[in-house]
Amino acid sequence: KNQVEQSPQSLIILEGKNCTLQCNYTVSPFSNLRWYKQDTGRGPVSLTIMTFSENTKSNGRYTATLDADTKQSSLHITASQLSDSASYICVVTAAGGSYIPTFGRGTSLIVHP
Amino acid sequence: KAGVTQTPRYLIKTRGQQVTLSCSPISGHRSVSWYQQTPGQGLQFLFEYFSETQRNKGNFPGRFSGRQFSNSRSEMNVSTLELGDSALYLCASSWTGGRAPDTQYFGPGTRLTVL
Repeated sequence: KNQVEQSPQSLIILEGKNCTLQCNYTVSPFSNLRWYKQDTGRGPVSLTIMTFSENTKSNGRYTATLDADTKQSSLHITASQLSDSASYICVVTAAGGSYIPTFGRGTSLIVHP
Repeated sequence: KAGVTQTPRYLIKTRGQQVTLSCSPISGHRSVSWYQQTPGQGLQFLFEYFSETQRNKGNFPGRFSGRQFSNSRSEMNVSTLELGDSALYLCASSWTGGRAPDTQYFGPGTRLTVL
């Protein structure tokens, strides 16, 4: 069964600090991996998309890495801001006929001043 | 350019009723996907439509159905509502859909409450 596990479940950091969120998956065959940011009461917003051949993708202060061999991804946030407080969701899409996305439960990040 | 719009934003129904939700994608986008988000299960994929055809379907009962019109607007229907259908229903549009590394743009969602 395809699964996506995210850790930690929640994280509290001080403004200006860096943090790293983890995503492990068992989805196979692999098509692509996406990281989304979801503010409370809003729809998710795409941060990065990576395919099998990509191991790093950046979007401003957000940098995602992918290790397709170990089936692990991380999202690194640099110099956090109060507006980074949100849920971060990892999504892995399977290939091979039906491109069904499997979602992680998300990491809830709170940035304190 | 206008984003993805969903109507209505909030809806209250009673068990046994049916409901239709609407999604207007970003202009030019041909793929529309629907998702259910609940505190217990998180985000789950319902189905994807591309050029009026259902291309992928998640693991949901047949009470959940959808369609896409020639202008790419999509509707989702849930029949015989159950309490467990209470959720935030999100739609997302993109040029090609999830099979390509193509950015999906989500709408604000429709909050459905079943009493």
